[in-house]
Amino acid sequence: AQSVTQLDSQVPVFEEAPVELRCNYSSSVSVYLFWYVQYPNQGLQLLLKYLSGSTLVKGINGFEAEFNKSQTSFHLRKPSVHISDTAEYFCAVSQPLFGNEKLTFGTGTRLTIIP
Amino acid sequence: NAGVTQTPKFQVLKTGQSMTLQCAQDMNHNSMYWYRQDPGMGLRLIYYSASEGTTDKGEVPNGYNVSRLNKREFSLRLESAAPSQTSVYFCASSSGTGTGVYEQYFGPGTRLTVT
Repeated sequence: AQSVTQLDSQVPVFEEAPVELRCNYSSSVSVYLFWYVQYPNQGLQLLLKYLSGSTLVKGINGFEAEFNKSQTSFHLRKPSVHISDTAEYFCAVSQPLFGNEKLTFGTGTRLTIIP
Repeated sequence: NAGVTQTPKFQVLKTGQSMTLQCAQDMNHNSMYWYRQDPGMGLRLIYYSASEGTTDKGEVPNGYNVSRLNKREFSLRLESAAPSQTSVYFCASSSGTGTGVYEQYFGPGTRLTVT
């Protein structure tokens, strides 16, 4: 079975400061990893994904994430946040055997940008 | 392009009532999904359909039924609503079938309250 842990339920950050949202996963087999963003009153949108290859992946809106197999982590980072980044962020995992049908989501991290 | 649409946006039901949540996508996607989102629990998969005519249970299928009416439409039915089914319901779709990894596109959600 696979699982995802997002330890921080809320992260307040000042505008233009850097941010890191943490994600750890548990799986007995290799995984695919995703970060999704949910803006207020909207559905989820894919930010970035790791399937294989380079462990540093870049996504939309200046976000990037690094896959660390030894630490089973996939933390999301942005060097300088903007008010428009206020949203909830979800880390998700699937196993290649099941492809995208079996996405398991974390509980989410609410990012609040302080002007 | 409308993407993934869901109706209704909001619904209030009394315990024991039934209703059907509708979802449609215009991206010619093969796979469709129903999730529920509860505070502090992230998104949990209720049912999914890898192709027209097939459906499979997800993590939390009890109390729900689904129909993949055609390639475009995937409906979720609550036969006898319970307060525990108060949630936000999201429909999603993706192009892949079987063991492929394809981005999931989400609808705007249906906010359901059962009293």
